[in-house]
Amino acid sequence: DAGVIQSPRHEVTEMGQEVTLRCKPISGHNSLFWYRQTMMRGLELLIYFNNNVPIDDSGMPEDRFSAKMPNASFSTLKIQPSEPRDSAVYFCASTRQPATEAFFGQGTRLTVV
Amino acid sequence: DQQVKQNSPSLSVQEGRISILNCDYTNSMFDYFLWYKKYPAEGPTFLISISSIKDKNEDGRFTVFLNKSAKHLSLHIVPSQPGDSAVYFCAASTRGSNYKLTFGKGTLLTVNP
Repeated sequence: DAGVIQSPRHEVTEMGQEVTLRCKPISGHNSLFWYRQTMMRGLELLIYFNNNVPIDDSGMPEDRFSAKMPNASFSTLKIQPSEPRDSAVYFCASTRQPATEAFFGQGTRLTVV
Repeated sequence: DQQVKQNSPSLSVQEGRISILNCDYTNSMFDYFLWYKKYPAEGPTFLISISSIKDKNEDGRFTVFLNKSAKHLSLHIVPSQPGDSAVYFCAASTRGSNYKLTFGKGTLLTVNP
């Protein structure tokens, strides 16, 4: 299996622009997570999907952030408009519930200038 | 409020010696604990876990110890190898919301040849 695939690996954008991060979970996994890693806050859960349905989005920092999972093999995390403080590494992870051990993608390093 | 704390940002050990990484938690509802390992430019990978009904779990060179009364867990790596050099994250979850992993900020382990 190819594992969790994220794209792009790196993204540099200007403040105010829309950014879309993409994730393909492992085939057969029914849960998908978006995490953000920063120096100050470490790894934070942003949103959790189960069977393509958003279950918990309490970690989404504000309305500028949105996430979708239109089908079992694809998810997006969108930031509109982006701000410099959104600069971080964004990870997507998936698992087959009820397991807790999530498998992470390689991450997208986002830089907003 | 940081519910999972890894108070040592870094640790350096000699090859062949024991590495001990520590983690403290404040939420007494946590009942499942995990360690993840992360190399640069990669996503975290699951290493080992322990349920609160146990106080020790061993997998090869890796052993996790749990002290519920002290709300403390530790990861022992024996013997340490240069390839173990990575950032180690402690994570915890609660029964009933076992998807929601709360991570510590990580400890950078460097194993010197």
